Amino acid sequence: SQQGEEDPQALSIQEGENATMNCSYKTSINNLQWYRQNSGRGLVHLILIRSNEREKHSGRLRVTLDTSKKSSSLLITASRAADTASYFCATAGLKTSYDKVIFGPGTSLSVIP
Amino acid sequence: DGGITQSPKYLFRKEGQNVTLSCEQNLNHDAMYWYRQDPGQGLRLIYYSQIVNDFQKGDIAEGYSVSREKKESFPLTVTSAQKNPTAFYLCASSTTGVGYGYTFGSGTRLTVV
Repeated sequence: SQQGEEDPQALSIQEGENATMNCSYKTSINNLQWYRQNSGRGLVHLILIRSNEREKHSGRLRVTLDTSKKSSSLLITASRAADTASYFCATAGLKTSYDKVIFGPGTSLSVIP
Repeated sequence: DGGITQSPKYLFRKEGQNVTLSCEQNLNHDAMYWYRQDPGQGLRLIYYSQIVNDFQKGDIAEGYSVSREKKESFPLTVTSAQKNPTAFYLCASSTTGVGYGYTFGSGTRLTVV
């Protein structure tokens, strides 16, 4: 069963605008991670937020986590054309004895110059 | 520079053939993973290994095999038993233990001809 679900599936914005993507999950987690994938490339790790954290920042990225709602959001501020990519959330569950993570289907972001 | 290398970038397989995808890392990571990505979908776990000479099946292991004879290497063989092998294959590695992000290779695109 799929753990993480991103919303929206696709997002198109103008350069300079902010982009917000959401991730919902079903079971309790140890941590939630966000990754970026440029077309035809591997994934790049962006941010990991632990279940006891509510917000983390990295440059123009802001991630929030609401464990009561089982949801997370990724905000990219002042977007650039280079931010065009697919963004995936991934969750690590409480019961895993190893650090396998489960990936959602992703949000495709297009930033128009 | 430390990283994870997948080869080849593109691979073509004839019906009934076995093919092997290479994955090498110099990050000194104990854990390595193989994921399959189909268009518009998230990543699905094929096999993972937490330590040399040990590996476990993931969610879609049928038709695939792996070995982990060296810490740095985790090759994936797509056998003729895999009926729909055309996909993008991603190898990843991480520090063992919950709470670490994954480092991904740049992927191998396998096509059946």
